[in-house]
Amino acid sequence: AQSVAQPEDQVNVAEGNPLTVKCTYSVSGNPYLFWYVQYPNRGLQFLLKYITGDNLVKGSYGFEAEFNKSQTSFHLKKPSALVSDSALYFCAVRDRVNQAGTALIFGKGTTLSVSS
Amino acid sequence: DGGITQSPKYLFRKEGQNVTLSCEQNLNHDAMYWYRQDPGQGLRLIYYSQIVNDFQKGDIAEGYSVSREKKESFPLTVTSAQKNPTAFYLCASIGKGHVNTGELFFGEGSRLTVL
Repeated sequence: AQSVAQPEDQVNVAEGNPLTVKCTYSVSGNPYLFWYVQYPNRGLQFLLKYITGDNLVKGSYGFEAEFNKSQTSFHLKKPSALVSDSALYFCAVRDRVNQAGTALIFGKGTTLSVSS
Repeated sequence: DGGITQSPKYLFRKEGQNVTLSCEQNLNHDAMYWYRQDPGQGLRLIYYSQIVNDFQKGDIAEGYSVSREKKESFPLTVTSAQKNPTAFYLCASIGKGHVNTGELFFGEGSRLTVL
């Protein structure tokens, strides 16, 4: 079965420092991987995805993620954190695929806290 | 602007009552989903619908029901059979252009509290 794991419940970083939010995956076949961000009492917003191609994927708000097949990881990164990046981050993997839709399996989420 | 609208944003329910959460989209998306979010547990799939008049159970469908009479609408009923209904509920959809990539679009959520 497809699954993702986010080993850290919380990540704390100072503003201006680089940040990394970790994600590992377990899939059969080629992985389709995603990162989403959620602000308090809001829906999820798409950040970026890896389908195929370059292992370094660039997304919204200056975030990027590195796909590592040998380590089955898809860590989210940003070179310089902002206080406004503080939010809940979810890693996800594609599950079922059919003609009209697909479902995602989400990790438990990692709370990112950026201090000024 | 196109998007997904969930209502109500906050809802309080007494034990034993059924409640219905609304989800409407004007994105012309075929597939729609309901997820439940609990602190520290991530998102879990309740039901999904690929086309009108068709829907499938997700991982935690017990105590919930849905309908898909119109493409734009996918309401979720939380029944009295749901043992622990207090949670944040998220509706999502996906369009044909994103089927192969799996990129979901989410509503703003509905927070249900059972008193």
